[in-house]
Amino acid sequence: GAGVSQSPSNKVTEKGKDVELRCDPISGHTALYWYRQSLGQGLEFLIYFQGNSAPDKSGLPSDRFSAERTGGSVSTLTIQRTQQEDSAVYLCASSSDPGLAYEQYFGPGTRLTVT
Amino acid sequence: AQKITQTQPGMFVQEKEAVTLDCTYDTSDPSYGLFWYKQPSSGEMIFLIYQGSYDQQNATEGRYSLNFQKARKSANLVISASQLGDSAMYFCAMRPLDKLIFGTGTRLQVFP
Repeated sequence: GAGVSQSPSNKVTEKGKDVELRCDPISGHTALYWYRQSLGQGLEFLIYFQGNSAPDKSGLPSDRFSAERTGGSVSTLTIQRTQQEDSAVYLCASSSDPGLAYEQYFGPGTRLTVT
Repeated sequence: AQKITQTQPGMFVQEKEAVTLDCTYDTSDPSYGLFWYKQPSSGEMIFLIYQGSYDQQNATEGRYSLNFQKARKSANLVISASQLGDSAMYFCAMRPLDKLIFGTGTRLQVFP
């Protein structure tokens, strides 16, 4: 079966523009996560969805960041008025269950560069 | 505070030797999971091994084993018989609730 897919794989945008990043989780996975990885750093949690609701948005760095998930499947992360510090790889992961023991399967990421 | 610490920014190991990558964690939650992920230069995150906080035995998956010492709050990854393809970044992560909390990673380089 297909893994987690993300699009675009690369995005270059000018400072101040809005961008949308898409994540298509593994079919049937109810839990979906967004992380951000800045150059040479570990992963930083952004937001978690269980179904279409987001019980944990604690990692969103500012109100310029938002995310939604529709139909319990595809998720979109939107960054408004992008800043250079938003440049990073944005990784999406999904899991069949939000329980502790269930591993998260990661997508290939979207590399965002803000110029 | 919940935190993962990986103190080794880089490690070198000769092919066929074993190597231990260190990981310590901090949490007040009684129940949590510990994970190791591998990130090759291609950027994908590959799940390696999982240890539950209540598991009595250390987890093993092929050449990977997790040396779990709960009292010391450490969850070191042991890779036996290293291969050139093991060269990558390795991240330790903890899951007290829903999200994963990651360490800063260790870059492992395997040389012939």
